[in-house]
Amino acid sequence: KAGVTQTPRYLIKTRGQQVTLSCSPISGHRSVSWYQQTPGQGLQFLFEYFSETQRNKGNFPGRFSGRQFSNSRSEMNVSTLELGDSALYLCASSLGTGTNEQYFGPGTRLTVT
Amino acid sequence: GQQVMQIPQYQHVQEGEDFTTYCNSSTTLSNIQWYKQRPGGHPVFLIQLVKSGEVKKQKRLTFQFGEAKKNSSLHITATQTTDVGTYFCAGVTSGTYKYIFGTGTRLKVLA
Repeated sequence: KAGVTQTPRYLIKTRGQQVTLSCSPISGHRSVSWYQQTPGQGLQFLFEYFSETQRNKGNFPGRFSGRQFSNSRSEMNVSTLELGDSALYLCASSLGTGTNEQYFGPGTRLTVT
Repeated sequence: GQQVMQIPQYQHVQEGEDFTTYCNSSTTLSNIQWYKQRPGGHPVFLIQLVKSGEVKKQKRLTFQFGEAKKNSSLHITATQTTDVGTYFCAGVTSGTYKYIFGTGTRLKVLA
């Protein structure tokens, strides 16, 4: 079974630009969660999608948004990038809700200059 | 808001020594999961604990879930260099089933 894939793996953007990151979950998994990982803040939960609906949301500004498609693939968008958005963005897929283990993708390393 | 704290933040041990990391939640959890992230890698699921007072073992790793379902621990017996990495607990909140990751404990094993 193929694992979770994320594209692109690396990205460099300028302040003020926007970015879209993509995540393809493991086949059969319907839940996709997004996390921001930085050295200082650890793993911060962004949001979770299940069957195309946002089920949970973390404490991030509205510049961070996401969606999930009917094939469970998910995208995350960050508008008006700030320097502080530089981080590793991880997506994780699971079969269902918070009672299932999460499988993480390799992440997208975003650098904002 | 809901928080999950982990201590210690860093731990250096000699190979063969034991290691323990502790996880404490500000609220009661539905269940708790543990993950390991190797340097340069992504978190990998280790185990899930659901019942109050539950203890599970995986070879040299022992996981415990507190009676009040607000704290947990991971103990590694006789560490090896392959144990190097950051260990995260992830508390799952009751009702909303939101994952809240602990701050992580970075383990370094000196050969």
